[in-house]
Amino acid sequence: EPEVTQTPSHQVTQMGQEVILRCVPISNHLYFYWYRQILGQKVEFLVSFYNNEISEKSEIFDDQFSVERPDGSNFTLKIRSTKLEDSAMYFCASSEPSSGNTIYFGEGSWLTVV
Amino acid sequence: ELKVEQNPLFLSMQEGKNYTIYCNYSTTSDRLYWYRQDPGKSLESLFVLLSNGAVKQEGRLMASLDTKARLSTLHITAAVHDLSATYFCAVVKETSGSRLTFGEGTQLTVNP
Repeated sequence: EPEVTQTPSHQVTQMGQEVILRCVPISNHLYFYWYRQILGQKVEFLVSFYNNEISEKSEIFDDQFSVERPDGSNFTLKIRSTKLEDSAMYFCASSEPSSGNTIYFGEGSWLTVV
Repeated sequence: ELKVEQNPLFLSMQEGKNYTIYCNYSTTSDRLYWYRQDPGKSLESLFVLLSNGAVKQEGRLMASLDTKARLSTLHITAAVHDLSATYFCAVVKETSGSRLTFGEGTQLTVNP
């Protein structure tokens, strides 16, 4: 079964460092998303991406965050200058273009900022 | 602002029993999703509910949607230990594209 894959599975970084989280969405999907889940809390939307541009972003997705689709398969989330409160599990997700389709989540990248 | 509330947040039940998890949301929606999450793992899609009165079943789980009441239920029949996990509902607001707003999750423990 096709799946969304994410790397790295776990990353520890110093506060202030830049981090790039990588995702390979399911190949025929056109909508891509990043969500995050702080330990023990609910899942929060960060950003959605369609047709090579951001289609929606939340108030969490401020200037320190950016997304990119550098080639035909990868979708990345960059955090420019990490803060302690950025420690969370980051999930990439993708879906087909039609409304009402399942949104598939990757296994997540666990980011720890120290 | 769309609010999604689940209850209960914690549920401990015996194997073989039935129970229902409730998901209320605050504004009109055109889609509701149920996901399962095992500890430290990803979100596994269980159901997508698209219309008022929609009912879907998979194994011991059945989900329904009442858009007038802004309520979805996830009913567990004859629970087994393997169903122990956290269950999230997530709602897409009508005007917000595909952005999912999640509930807090219901942590289900099924005891032998």
